[in-house]
Formats: sequence, C-alpha cells, structure tokens
Amino acid sequence: DVKVTQSSRYLVKRTGEKVFLECVQDMDHENMFWYRQDPGLGLRLIYFSYDVKMKEKGDIPEGYSVSREKKERFSLILESASTNQTSMYLCASRLRGRHTEAFFGQGTRLTVV
Amino acid sequence: EDQVTQSPEALRLQEGESSSLNCSYTVSGLRGLFWYRQDPGKGPEFLFTLYSAGEEKEKERLKATLTKKESFLHITAPKPEDSATYLCAVPSLGKGAQKLVFGQGTRLTINP
Repeated sequence: DVKVTQSSRYLVKRTGEKVFLECVQDMDHENMFWYRQDPGLGLRLIYFSYDVKMKEKGDIPEGYSVSREKKERFSLILESASTNQTSMYLCASRLRGRHTEAFFGQGTRLTVV
Repeated sequence: EDQVTQSPEALRLQEGESSSLNCSYTVSGLRGLFWYRQDPGKGPEFLFTLYSAGEEKEKERLKATLTKKESFLHITAPKPEDSATYLCAVPSLGKGAQKLVFGQGTRLTINP
C-alpha cells in the first residue's frame, strides 16, 4: 500500500515564525502536492512538484515556498506564518500518468496564534 | 479552466435510505474522474477511478457511475459508518495533467 506520511498531526506556531511541514511518500511517485483545506473553500492547491528540484505554483502560492531535494520528500515552508494560514494542510503523491489516483497523508492541522 | 462542482453540499439520510451524490465537471477532455472519502480531521481516502463515460465501479454500498458531463455516487441502504465527506476530482490540463482539481465535497450524514 502507498503510504504518505506527514511529520505532524497538529502544530501551533506564533505569527512571524518560519514553519516547515514535511511529507514523505514510499512509492516512488514522481508527483507530490501540497493542498490546504478550509471550511467552505474545499481543497486548494498551494504547490506541486513533478520531479526532484522541480516545482510549480498552484492556485494559492502566496506566503509559501516548497523544497524537493529527494524524490520521496516534499516540504512546505511558511516563510513568516500569519493567522490567515491557520488551516488543515494535506500532502499527496501521484504516479505520473493521466488516470492515476493521488494518495493523501493524514493531514497537519496548523494553528497560527 | 477545468472546474468540478458537487451537489448537494450536505445531505442527511436515515439509515437504509438510498440516495445519490452528484459531481459535474467542465474539462477540455475527460482524463478520468476520482472519488474520495474523507473523515473529519483526516486526509482523503481513495475510493474509485472512472476512466470513460458509461463506466461503473462498486464497493460495498457505494456505486460510482460516469457520463460525459457528470458522475454520480450512489449509496444503497447506507449505514451510520458511511457518514463522511465525499470528494470528486479530475486531472487538470497542463504539465501532463499532473494535478487534480477537486470539488468542494458533499458532507453526508447517516442517522441511525
């Protein structure tokens, strides 16, 4: 079974802190994604990566950056956390190809105070 | 731009009361459609992939169907444990259709 593991289930950070969210997948998937999920807004794509060191902006990249130094690991960085970044963050991975499904991690509930 | 719309936003049923959830999409070319289940506070869990119009997939009390413009998730004789948010998604054009576009989900509640 594919496993996507996020480093934390719950995080509380202070405004202005630099925050790192880590995600690791164990199935050699080329594609990895970071989404945030908010009530009434659904899943919104922040960034994705289709290969090592390659990244593409999603729909809401402002205030975030990413790093993919190894194929299995995709990190989301909040450069200076703000209260409007309080959210559920979901990492996913997907094999390259049109009809392949994405597999999600368990989510990180981030609260910025 | 590819778009996915789900309806209703929320649905409350009695145990055993069958119903259907709708997922409509506007894409330049169908490249598959995915259904997920999401429990509160957890990541989405993959249910089905539908590849082409006319296809059907079943799993326990769930059956997913696909037409050229929409997909339905039929729930037959649901139980309280079927309560969850159900999401559908389609691959988006660009970069080899690598990213998925999600609908906002249908929050399903089954009362005992």
